[in-house]
Amino acid sequence: EAVMTQSPGTLSVSPGERATLSCRASQSVINKLAWYQQKSGQPPRLLVYGATTRAAGVPARFSGSGSGTDFALTISSLQSEDFAVYYCQQYNYWPTFGQGTKVEIK
Amino acid sequence: EVQLVQSGAEVKKPGESLRISCKGSGYSFSHHWIGWVRQMPGKGLEWMGLIYPGDSDTKYNPAFQGQVTISADKSLNTAYLQWSSLEASDTALYYCARLLDSSSVGAIWGQGTLVTVS
Repeated sequence: EAVMTQSPGTLSVSPGERATLSCRASQSVINKLAWYQQKSGQPPRLLVYGATTRAAGVPARFSGSGSGTDFALTISSLQSEDFAVYYCQQYNYWPTFGQGTKVEIK
Repeated sequence: EVQLVQSGAEVKKPGESLRISCKGSGYSFSHHWIGWVRQMPGKGLEWMGLIYPGDSDTKYNPAFQGQVTISADKSLNTAYLQWSSLEASDTALYYCARLLDSSSVGAIWGQGTLVTVS
């Protein structure tokens, strides 16, 4: 099983600022890495898959990068609707999620 | 519109059985994998298992194997998650998700079903 570790646990950011979320895999997952956004009381929403491909309808301010064991999700200019919890998930093996990063208003 | 609609919240006692459902619409239900995800109160996400409704091919997370049963009725465009004997630790929010192509990526999600065992 690939263990996914996200950092930081909480990220405090001001609207309009850039945010970078990290995700590390315990072993290589190649590029089989997805990112999700979850707002309170809602199901997860797929943002990125294949490490770098934005899902349909996802704004261009969201971008994914990385390969192997180290990945990142960057939000170029945070909007009010972006404050949420973000999860990475590998799917090179049985799919496993990271523990999440909460992006909160600074 | 592609959507998954899950059955409503349940309150059960330990030892009782339960089946929750996930009905797909707006796409060819038989030809896309469906997965079930558990979210315990205030916690993260765990894939429990996957099913291909076309032939009911099913894969389980070893942590959930033998604890739950995943099934599907393609004639009803519905997938199911069931327990034969609930425990308090099964209290959680359960999501179904339609997977992206043949990968284990949740592209379309149901609204979730809250199961409370007390």
